[in-house]
Amino acid sequence: SQELEQSPQSLIVQEGKNLTINCTSSKTLYGLYWYKQKYGEGLIFLMMLQKGGEEKSHEKITAKLDEKKQQSSLHITASQPSHAGIYLCGADRGKLIFGQGTTLQVKP
Amino acid sequence: EAGVAQSPRYKIIEKRQSVAFWCNPISGHATLYWYQQILGQGPKLLIQFQNNGVVDDSQLPKDRFSAERLKGVDSTLKIQPAKLEDSAVYLCASSLGIGTGFSGANVLTFGAGSRLTVL
Repeated sequence: SQELEQSPQSLIVQEGKNLTINCTSSKTLYGLYWYKQKYGEGLIFLMMLQKGGEEKSHEKITAKLDEKKQQSSLHITASQPSHAGIYLCGADRGKLIFGQGTTLQVKP
Repeated sequence: EAGVAQSPRYKIIEKRQSVAFWCNPISGHATLYWYQQILGQGPKLLIQFQNNGVVDDSQLPKDRFSAERLKGVDSTLKIQPAKLEDSAVYLCASSLGIGTGFSGANVLTFGAGSRLTVL
């Protein structure tokens, strides 16, 4: 099984709707990265969360880290077609490992 | 600054043939990574170089995969002979730092990837 499990695996939302993607670790999380990948392209760094309880925002994307729950959530407010893609969480295990990804489609 | 360059972007080969992928990292980045991403999965680290030394190659199938970074700059990943299950996107990434520990220096910058189809 995956050390980092993301849910849901895929998501289709109407433009303007809010959504949340979760990333749960089977081991202690000391920090977490979020990346976004458009189909056929490489990964783009979104943000890095280093401490429990930390919350960061970039434009309409907010990510939080809950160390006690070994979980991070990524929330998009008022989704737009430009938000479509694959969202991946990553953890430092002496090397960067990733979850399986969450595919987001935004319908205009 | 220029990003991470990879070539070719697409490659189709028959099984048992060989293939090579090239990566040129961001100038000044000490650490270079090769990841394999199979459709529907997250990327899996194959090998990590710091300058021209190997830091981690624990998940590299060494009977068929090889990689080098001779001068501590660009890198080549080779597969010989290819199997059907090698069909994937091969992503190259680089970072300024050593890749562990949460700091801006260890954020990875990825190339666009090389998509391999093995028939």
